[in-house]
Amino acid sequence: KAGVTQTPRYLIKTRGQQVTLSCSPISGHRSVSWYQQTPGQGLQFLFEYFSETQRNKGNFPGRFSGRQFSNSRSEMNVSTLELGDSALYLCASSYRGLGYEQYFGPGTRLTVT
Amino acid sequence: KNEVEQSPQNLTAQEGEFITINCSYSVGISALHWLQQHPGGGIVSLFMLSSGKKKHGRLIATINIQEKHSSLHITASHPRDSAVYICAVSPPALNSGGYQKVTFGIGTKLQVIP
Repeated sequence: KAGVTQTPRYLIKTRGQQVTLSCSPISGHRSVSWYQQTPGQGLQFLFEYFSETQRNKGNFPGRFSGRQFSNSRSEMNVSTLELGDSALYLCASSYRGLGYEQYFGPGTRLTVT
Repeated sequence: KNEVEQSPQNLTAQEGEFITINCSYSVGISALHWLQQHPGGGIVSLFMLSSGKKKHGRLIATINIQEKHSSLHITASHPRDSAVYICAVSPPALNSGGYQKVTFGIGTKLQVIP
């Protein structure tokens, strides 16, 4: 089976812009979760989608949003980018959800200037 | 106090040594994950535990639910084990009307010297 893929792998944006990141899960997996990793805060949970519904979320502002499509592919959007949004954004897929083994994608490295 | 505490944060070992990384948590969980992250960012799930002990090759993970503590052991360490090891806990089954989140430890940076 193909692994989790994320596009793009690298992205440079300017403060105030918005960005959309994409995640394609392993075939058959219905849960997709998103994470932000920064040197200062480490890994933090953004949200989880299961069968097109947001099922869990972390403590991030409303500028961070996501959605999941009927084929389980997921997108994450960040509006009004701030310098502090520079990070590695990872997604992970799982057959049944957060309490099951997570398969991580390679990540998208976002730099905000 | 962080909900997930990992120790040590940095660890240097000689090749062949037995290594232990500890994780303590203070929240209810459905599962605990041990993750490995190599330079460049890719994360691999090593273990998912809800009770007892699991072994895969030279890696062993244990969890004590009553004490809210887990350990990751590496036997006969090798330079290719050099990576960051991260403990993460998944929330219990969702209560009606509420969101829950995955919580991560800060990570343990392991360097194994030949």
